[in-house]
Amino acid sequence: DAMVIQNPRYQVTQFGKPVTLSCSQTLNHNVMYWYQQKSSQAPKLLFHYYDKDFNNEADTPDNFQSRRPNTSFCFLDIRSPGLGDAAMYLCATSSALQAGKTQYFGPGTRLLVL
Amino acid sequence: DQQVKQNSPSLSVQEGRISILNCDYTNSMFDYFLWYKKYPAEGPTFLISISSIKDKNEDGRFTVFLNKSAKHLSLHIVPSQPGDSAVYFCAASGDFGNEKLTFGTGTRLTIIP
Repeated sequence: DAMVIQNPRYQVTQFGKPVTLSCSQTLNHNVMYWYQQKSSQAPKLLFHYYDKDFNNEADTPDNFQSRRPNTSFCFLDIRSPGLGDAAMYLCATSSALQAGKTQYFGPGTRLLVL
Repeated sequence: DQQVKQNSPSLSVQEGRISILNCDYTNSMFDYFLWYKKYPAEGPTFLISISSIKDKNEDGRFTVFLNKSAKHLSLHIVPSQPGDSAVYFCAASGDFGNEKLTFGTGTRLTIIP
């Protein structure tokens, strides 16, 4: 089955210790997204890639970076995690960046910062 | 500024009855509206959508209604089943710079057996 896979499902890191979350997709979609979701809040878009074209949301902190080495994989790097970065991180894909296009989500990685 | 609002954080409905989840939006440029369902420890899964040229879209037990003049949409689930217990997110997108999805904060639906 075509899908969006996120690893690991749970990640524990220490305050200030860099961490990388990964996402892969078998849908061959052009667009990949990273969202941050905190409890009882809406998923918040951090950035997206259209093919290799990286687009940062204006309010995404510099502490968050992303890499997309190929169509299938996308990584979220948090350079110096703070306690406020503890959240669920969701990866999603869509075939195009177009109104009405369905986004397909992975299961998420829950990040805990100690 | 919350452009998509789900004002009911939670809703409990008896099994077999109708569940109605509501969503309001403020951006008149939104043309497409989607509902996602999320179980604990899973990512959101697409449920149903509607474009602004329609006022109703139906898929089995799920129907979405759109009232453009009121900037309001609702998701009806009938009959409600225990497996429908989840968090439901409303999301919207449009053209001209609004192509990315804007999500509401979600409504937790609990179906009581």
